[in-house]
Amino acid sequence: QSVLTQPPSISEGPRQRVTISCSGGSSNIGNNAVNWYQWLPGKAPKLLVHFDDVVLPGVSDRFSGSKSGTSASLAINGLRSDDEAEYYCAAWDDDLSLVVFGGGTKLTVL
Amino acid sequence: QVQLQESGPGLVKPSETLSLTCHVSGDSMTSHYWSWIRQTPGKGLEWVGYIYYSGSTTYNPSLKSRVIISVDTSKNQFSLRMTSVTAADTAVYFCARNPAAGSPTAFEVWGQGTLVIVSS
Repeated sequence: QSVLTQPPSISEGPRQRVTISCSGGSSNIGNNAVNWYQWLPGKAPKLLVHFDDVVLPGVSDRFSGSKSGTSASLAINGLRSDDEAEYYCAAWDDDLSLVVFGGGTKLTVL
Repeated sequence: QVQLQESGPGLVKPSETLSLTCHVSGDSMTSHYWSWIRQTPGKGLEWVGYIYYSGSTTYNPSLKSRVIISVDTSKNQFSLRMTSVTAADTAVYFCARNPAAGSPTAFEVWGQGTLVIVSS
């Protein structure tokens, strides 16, 4: 049972937009920065977004992050087949004093 | 381009000590935070702890009593030592580095991961 809640899976067609949600609480998302990772099969995870909405240099501008209250979202525009991956959110938790991760969302591009 | 590579035994006996090293190439260790993260089938991704290049550490409270992370900047590497391991410590262990001017708990560069099995 992960501290941050993500949908286990999501699917959408190519060239469409998808949003992956990440729900937490006041001790994590509500008070700390959210980071988003993309994990392609057989590869190391890749940091896409940090500080809630700052896209890392070199990451496609099709990716964007946002946060409102105790929830965060990762949006991907113009879906491509190579976006198929697992996506994880993470944040520091003040009560637990550790980094907490979401359970991951498997994105399928139909 | 910075690269990280984990190394260490893939099999550890219960109650013994797990020791892993992460070798850093392509950049200095200065001004960065260096982390260990593990992935288990049951608990997903779990942050183990991080060390600043100067040596200060922060650990996952649930593992703190059994874990030591150390750094050797002269060798461009940092290490994880976990004592009294059990089957629950079986996982893929990743080392990672935070972004420049980024949070210590954002993991920008990752190693490929190394599987450690705890079994007699």
